[in-house]
Amino acid sequence: QSVLTQPPSASGTPGQRVTISCSGSSSNIANNYVYWYQQLPETAPKLLIYRNDQRPSGVPDRFSGSKSGTSASLAISGLRSEDEADYYCAAWDVSLDGYVFGSGTKVTV
Amino acid sequence: QVHLQESGPGLVKPSETLSLTCSVSGGSVTTDYWSWVRQPADKGLEWIGRVYNGGNTNYNPSLKSRVTLSVDTSKNQFSLKLNSVTASDTAVYYCTRGRFEGFDPWGQGILVTVSS
Repeated sequence: QSVLTQPPSASGTPGQRVTISCSGSSSNIANNYVYWYQQLPETAPKLLIYRNDQRPSGVPDRFSGSKSGTSASLAISGLRSEDEADYYCAAWDVSLDGYVFGSGTKVTV
Repeated sequence: QVHLQESGPGLVKPSETLSLTCSVSGGSVTTDYWSWVRQPADKGLEWIGRVYNGGNTNYNPSLKSRVTLSVDTSKNQFSLKLNSVTASDTAVYYCTRGRFEGFDPWGQGILVTVSS
């Protein structure tokens, strides 16, 4: 049972916008940064969003992050076939004194 | 550009100790935070713990009693030891650098199977 809750799956057609939610609590999301990772099949995770809504260099601006209260969201606009992957949210949890990951969302295009 | 590479046995017997090393190039283990994350087959990511400032640590409470993280500054490596392993510890283990800017980069991962 993950501390952060994500929907198990999301899907869309090419060009559409898909949004993935990440629900937490006051111990994690509400008072700490949220991060998003993309994991393509058989590869290591890749940082997609940091500090709630910042994109690392090289990440397309089709990917955007937001946070409100105890929840966060990742939006993928202009969906492309190469976006098919698992997406994980993460945050520091002050009660656990460690990082927690979401359960992961599989995006199908 | 920082590069991470995991190494260690791919097969560990039940009740024994899993030992992995992460070699760091392009950066120094004396700075930043260095974490281990694992992923059982077809399951999600689980943070194991982190080491920083040359030896300070934080551990996942669910693993804390069995985990030890350490750094070897002379080799620019950091290590994971997980004792009393069972089949549920079978997973791909990743090492990664952690900052306020997130976990980046990641090693390619190493599959560790616990089996007799």
